[in-house]
Amino acid sequence: QVQLVQSGADVKKPGASVRVSCKTSGYSFTGYYLHWVRQAPGHGLEWMGWLNPINGATHYAQMFQGRVTMTGDTSISTGYMDLSGLTSDDTAVYHCARSTTVTTHFDHWGQGTQVTVSS
Amino acid sequence: EVVLTQSPATLSLSPGERATLSCRASQSVRHYLAWYQHKPGQAPRLLIFDASNRAPGIPARFSASGSGTDFTLTISSLEPEDVAVYYCQERDNWPPRWSFGQGTKVEIK
Repeated sequence: QVQLVQSGADVKKPGASVRVSCKTSGYSFTGYYLHWVRQAPGHGLEWMGWLNPINGATHYAQMFQGRVTMTGDTSISTGYMDLSGLTSDDTAVYHCARSTTVTTHFDHWGQGTQVTVSS
Repeated sequence: EVVLTQSPATLSLSPGERATLSCRASQSVRHYLAWYQHKPGQAPRLLIFDASNRAPGIPARFSASGSGTDFTLTISSLEPEDVAVYYCQERDNWPPRWSFGQGTKVEIK
């Protein structure tokens, strides 16, 4: 069955960077886009960007451009989201999610990774 | 850029009642709208895609309709396990950008 399993919770200091991983299984990693969505405390879901694992193409939401990098390792069917210049506003649960290359919705999601930014 | 506005912010109903959630887009998204159920500590769950298609395994009490700018998610008979926040979501064609509404919280009285 399709699974997206994320790395564990992390605590970072302001100004640091964080990497969250998303190991996929049960489907062809290169056949689907991999997205990242976050939810900060008291806020709704916020789309951050997507990765096309077959060629490494990415597109990021404007508010994250310059701070976020999404990559994938096809040999281990794993996607990564790196976020730099962390502030307390980046404290959130980060989810990976997949969509097909033609559909517009996310049909499977990772369980979420809590990232806490605190001095 | 499309903005999705959901209403109401909170819906408080008794078990067995009908829940009607609204999502309005600032411009037409045709039928490319999805609905998700999100419970605390869990991954969001796809309920509906392409405006009215139930995702696999979703109970028949969940239905949805709409096109263009106005969409509705209906829970025909509310169950205690339906307590969650519900989000609508769309995708802009270019630049490729996905966005969510701000959510509707469904509570049991």
